[in-house]
This record gives sequence, C-alpha cells and structure tokens, in this order.
Amino acid sequence: NAGVMQNPRHLVRRRGQEARLRCSPMKGHSHVYWYRQLPEEGLKFMVYLQKENIIDESGMPKERFSAEFPKEGPSILRIQQVVRGDSAAYFCASSRGRGEADTQYFGPGTRLTVL
Amino acid sequence: SQKIEQNSEALNIQEGKTATLTCNYTNYSPAYLQWYRQDPGRGPVFLLLIRENEKEKRKERLKVTFDTTLKQSLFHITASQPADSATYLCALDMKNRDDKIIFGKGTRLHILP
Repeated sequence: NAGVMQNPRHLVRRRGQEARLRCSPMKGHSHVYWYRQLPEEGLKFMVYLQKENIIDESGMPKERFSAEFPKEGPSILRIQQVVRGDSAAYFCASSRGRGEADTQYFGPGTRLTVL
Repeated sequence: SQKIEQNSEALNIQEGKTATLTCNYTNYSPAYLQWYRQDPGRGPVFLLLIRENEKEKRKERLKVTFDTTLKQSLFHITASQPADSATYLCALDMKNRDDKIIFGKGTRLHILP
C-alpha cells in the first residue's frame, strides 16, 4: 500500500534550465496538491489539481511555473528557466476528495537546488 | 489575508512532561483546523483535525483545543517522549471560504531525556 511517491528526491539544476518534478498520488486518490517550503518557512500552497483539471492555481507564479495531472501517469510540476530563488523543497499531497474525512497525505518531497 | 502564527522559537520540554504548542490565526475561522508533524527531510504527517464547532479532540497522548473566540488552537502532548521531537505544523482548512489549506511555519519541539 504505497504512499505518495515523488521523484526525484533531489534535483540540481543550473540557472536557466528546466526542472520537472513528479508526483504519483496514493492509490484511489484523484486530488493532488503542490506546496513549496523554504527553510524556516511554512508550506506555501501552489496549485490544486484533479485528473485533467486545474482547480486552483492561485498560489503558483504566473510565469515559468506550470502543473498538470493527466488522465494517466503522475502529476508534473514544471519550472522553466529556473532561478536561484526557486531552490526549495517541493511537496506533493494527495487526497481522495475534498470532504472532511479526506485528509491530505504528503510525499517525501523533492529538494530542488539551483546553482 | 489570513495569517497563522506559531511559536517561532524552539520549545524544549523535559521527558515525561506535557508539551503545549500554540497556533493563533487572524481573520476568519476555518472549517477545520489540523495539526501535522514534520521530521527533518520528510513530508508532513497528519495527526489530528478539529472542527470549528468542537472545543476539544483527543487521540492517545495528543489533545487539541480550538477556541474560535480567541482564534487559537492549543496542541498538547502528554507524557512526552524523545521520539516526539519534531516540528509541528498548524493548518487552517478554509474549505468554507476558498478551498485552501493554509499552513503555519511550525514550532520545533525538543523533548529532552
């Protein structure tokens, strides 16, 4: 009974490159959330997706960042032309729905370092 | 905008004592208030949820209170153990407003043997 999987766990990119972060939700979960965490900072909501739909992307920068959750396969958070300020831990969470009992389960995170 | 405040300084508690962590928020009361535990290098793990119309919730050695008048939640760990050392995050589930979960920065707890 695998939990939320994220890969890679660590990603190093040079400025200007693209970063692709993957998240496979728990089995039976169709809701995915992406958060960013900077050192000594709280988790900041970025985007909330259901299969093939972006429900809320109000926390995601308008430029360079995009997210998708296709019908088949993992959810992808894509950061184009990375800058040093993008260095952070990116966490994905999944839930069965958005009801009271639908707790969010978090993955182990991807630590992005931009050189 | 909605803000959450948790003790920014680390909390040191002697093993066996009760640890109490505070979460204060501004503006609107959430539909639910949640507490998570996060260990270094790992993702948060859900611990407890309390509804806006509940005053108190317990789970084993954990107790959460929720006072919507004070806009405050307290998180207690009784008979604390060194294994309880972690960062504890408070989160507001604003399902009643804009469907987001807003996290505090967390409080680091050290249980001293």
